[in-house]
Amino acid sequence: GAGVSQSPRYKVAKRGQDVALRCDPISGHVSLFWYQQALGQGPEFLTYFQNEAQLDKSGLPSDRFFAERPEGSVSTLKIQRTQQEDSAVYLCASSQPPQGAAGYTFGSGTRLTVV
Amino acid sequence: GQNIDQPTEMTATEGAIVQINCTYQTSGFNGLFWYQQHAGEAPTFLSYNVLDGLEEKGRFSSFLSRSKGYSYLLLKELQMKDSASYLCAVRNTGNTPLVFGKGTRLSVIA
Repeated sequence: GAGVSQSPRYKVAKRGQDVALRCDPISGHVSLFWYQQALGQGPEFLTYFQNEAQLDKSGLPSDRFFAERPEGSVSTLKIQRTQQEDSAVYLCASSQPPQGAAGYTFGSGTRLTVV
Repeated sequence: GQNIDQPTEMTATEGAIVQINCTYQTSGFNGLFWYQQHAGEAPTFLSYNVLDGLEEKGRFSSFLSRSKGYSYLLLKELQMKDSASYLCAVRNTGNTPLVFGKGTRLSVIA
């Protein structure tokens, strides 16, 4: 597609509920990144894929967080047993290596509110 | 480890010039990016510096000094629509994921 698409745009979850957030990167982009952005803060790295391989998941805050990209295109970030501290905007970005000067193209994010 | 510092908030007047500073500490530097983010929207790419010096792009310029671990974003002829957060991000060697600062919220007033 023309840009990075994320769905849903907004999600309200009850504490303890599982959620799944979807990211559709720019067609052909090899690299895909997930970031978490709390209100008034910068994006914090969660995990990174190159094609279907998850190369870095050091930023995932706990084992309740899981990400996959089984066919090297669409990615899903899953959060199990959501907690209030999971409330944030989850941003997905894609890029085409070598990254050079282009940086990342971000989606509009999913705003997750855990009540 | 990575440490990126930028001011939390700045206010400037329409038509004026504003400079947003960013300092960083990194074990292996491979580029610095500036992004603009309007409230509730995605960050959008503004500029990229990998060599020392000034990169100019219309009303926006970005400067880098690798020896000082320092960059700034310069916005000229400020417009109300420039009110946004400005994010400084550093890439380390090996094309590792970008590390972002906390962002600077710029308010442009009449």
